[in-house]
Amino acid sequence: DSGVTQTPKHLITATGQRVTLRCSPRSGDLSVYWYQQSLDQGLQFLIQYYNGEERAKGNILERFSAQQFPDLHSELNLSSLELGDSALYFCASSVERESYNEQFFGPGTRLTVL
Amino acid sequence: QQQVKQSPQSLIVQKGGISIINCAYENTAFDYFPWYQQFPGKGPALLIAIRPDVSEKKEGRFTISFNKSAKQFSLHIMDSQPGDSATYFCAASMEVTGKLIFGQGTTLQVKP
Repeated sequence: DSGVTQTPKHLITATGQRVTLRCSPRSGDLSVYWYQQSLDQGLQFLIQYYNGEERAKGNILERFSAQQFPDLHSELNLSSLELGDSALYFCASSVERESYNEQFFGPGTRLTVL
Repeated sequence: QQQVKQSPQSLIVQKGGISIINCAYENTAFDYFPWYQQFPGKGPALLIAIRPDVSEKKEGRFTISFNKSAKQFSLHIMDSQPGDSATYFCAASMEVTGKLIFGQGTTLQVKP
């Protein structure tokens, strides 16, 4: 158990809908990352937050947004969902923002868009 | 320039054998190279990592070899065990950012 929790575990929804994925980082970790894992794209970095501020952005679609709250938990919002958004979404956390700080991954949220 | 290419896509090794997975990168600004291990239904977990100022790092049965001039690095798993059967991802990053660029992954099966 990495200490990172993600809810829900599974999410099934329809095209055009909006969903929110939630992540609670390990106690004491200030940095939160979101990754998308799919068969065709592999594991892709979406976005990083550090202590409430956006730090780095990857291949995140405009339909997707994220935020980190004062209690350091984070939410990833996915809107106008398309079939191709079906994937595993991982949250990871680390103590600090630099990459040499080990990133601990949560168990993921499996999103299925029908 | 941001890509990390990983090979092979899948690998089958006999118990006790050596598993070798290779990665290549293009961006010379990358200065941190971790390997992650992922079991089915779980998130990736850090296995071992290296910085480009050393050519090799060993932790137990796991060794990273790093060739800065060739822009390549590899993971060697010595005395491979069935419990090592998992998907392995190499990654690269610039340390000042937290952004990891992952390879496509290698599914390793170790046969008993």
